[in-house]
Amino acid sequence: KAGVTQTPRYLIKTRGQQVTLSCSPISGHRSVSWYQQTPGQGLQFLFEYFSETQRNKGNFPGRFSGRQFSNSRSEMNVSTLELGDSALYLCASSPTTGAPTGELFFGEGSRLTVL
Amino acid sequence: AQSVTQLDSQVPVFEEAPVELRCNYSSSVSVYLFWYVQYPNQGLQLLLKYLSGSTLVKSINGFEAEFNKSQTSFHLRKPSVHISDTAEYFCAVSDVGFQKLVFGTGTRLLVSP
Repeated sequence: KAGVTQTPRYLIKTRGQQVTLSCSPISGHRSVSWYQQTPGQGLQFLFEYFSETQRNKGNFPGRFSGRQFSNSRSEMNVSTLELGDSALYLCASSPTTGAPTGELFFGEGSRLTVL
Repeated sequence: AQSVTQLDSQVPVFEEAPVELRCNYSSSVSVYLFWYVQYPNQGLQLLLKYLSGSTLVKSINGFEAEFNKSQTSFHLRKPSVHISDTAEYFCAVSDVGFQKLVFGTGTRLLVSP
């Protein structure tokens, strides 16, 4: 089974621009979560989608948004980029067939650098 | 609100020595507990998990962790480490029924010959 695939792996943007990151979950997984990883703040939860609906949301400003498509693929978007948005953005999928268990399968991440 | 504390940011150890990585959590409800490992330039991989049942859980590569509800701890142990165990280890907690993980700040395990 293919793992979680994230694209692009690396990207550089300038302040004020926007960025869209893509995530393809493991086949059959319907839950997709996004996390931001930085040296200062560590791993922080952004949001989780299940069956195209946002089910949970972290404490990030409205510049951070996401969506999930009918094939479970997900995208996240960050508008009006700030220097502090430089981070590794990790996508994770989960084999949720019943109640959520918190078990996540992570992709390798998209490393965003904002100049 | 939930929180996870990993007291040690870095743990140096010699190969074949035992190691313990400490994790304490704060939550007022029933929880699931996890240890994830991250190798350089990679995403996180699930190492082991506690969902219910036996409080001692084991991984396929020799790690084990014990859920201690009274001490709200989930320490990770290995009796004999290898060079290949060098990585960053994250403890995480989620409320039962939710798909949101709260991670600790991580412990970097450095195994030297």
